Amino acid sequence: DADVTQTPRNRITKTGKRIMLECSQTKGHDRMYWYRQDPGLGLRLIYYSFDVKDINKGEISDGYSVSRQAQAKFSLSLESAIPNQTALYFCATSDLWSGTGDLETQYFGPGTRLLVL
Amino acid sequence: RKEVEQDPGPFNVPEGATVAFNCTYSNSASQSFFWYRQDCRKEPKLLMSVYSSGNEDGRFTAQLNRASQYISLLIRDSKLSDSATYLCVVMNQAGTALIFGKGTTLSVSS
Repeated sequence: DADVTQTPRNRITKTGKRIMLECSQTKGHDRMYWYRQDPGLGLRLIYYSFDVKDINKGEISDGYSVSRQAQAKFSLSLESAIPNQTALYFCATSDLWSGTGDLETQYFGPGTRLLVL
Repeated sequence: RKEVEQDPGPFNVPEGATVAFNCTYSNSASQSFFWYRQDCRKEPKLLMSVYSSGNEDGRFTAQLNRASQYISLLIRDSKLSDSATYLCVVMNQAGTALIFGKGTTLSVSS
C-alpha cells in the first residue's frame, strides 16, 4: 500500500463550486504539505502543517484553505473554484530527519488532477 | 532573480552519454539542497541530497558550490530509464519549506 494517498485522483468541477482534496499518510510524519504544479511553473507551495495545531500559508495560499484533521490527514479546499486553479495537486509529508539521515526528505502522494471549467 | 533556476532543456542524449545539469539559487543562507526526479505524470521522488563535499550514488554525482550558489548533477552512462524531469530543490532559510526549480527534462534515446 502507498504511504501517501490522495483522493480523488482526478476531478472535473465547475467554476464556483467548493471542492475538497484529501491526503492521508501512513508514514507517521508530523509535517504535511500541499503543492500545485503547473506546466512551466514548477511546484509551488500552497499550505503546510508541522503538526495538528500548526497551519502555515505557503507561496500561493489565496483561494485555498486547509484542515489538519489528524496527524495522518491533511485536506485542501477550494472554496469557490476558478479556472486558473486547474492544475496537478500534490500532497507531501516529511519528518525532520529521515531514517537514512537525510534532511527533510519529502514523500509525495500520486497527485490529483483538477480541471475547473 | 528567481529563487531556484534551472535550464529547462530538454536535453536529448544517446544511451551511454554523460550529461550534466546545473542549478543556481538566490539565497546564500540556504542550508539544504536536493535533486528530485519526476517521471511524466508522476509524483516527484528524492534522487539524492547534495552535500557540501559533493556526493556520489552509482552513476549520479552531485556537487555544491556555496560561493557561486550553484548545484550540479552529473549522470554517467545514461540509461533509457533515466529519461525524466530533474528538479533542483533548496530548503528555505527558515528551514520550513522546500523551494523547487522548474525542472530540467532529460530524454535518453537508443
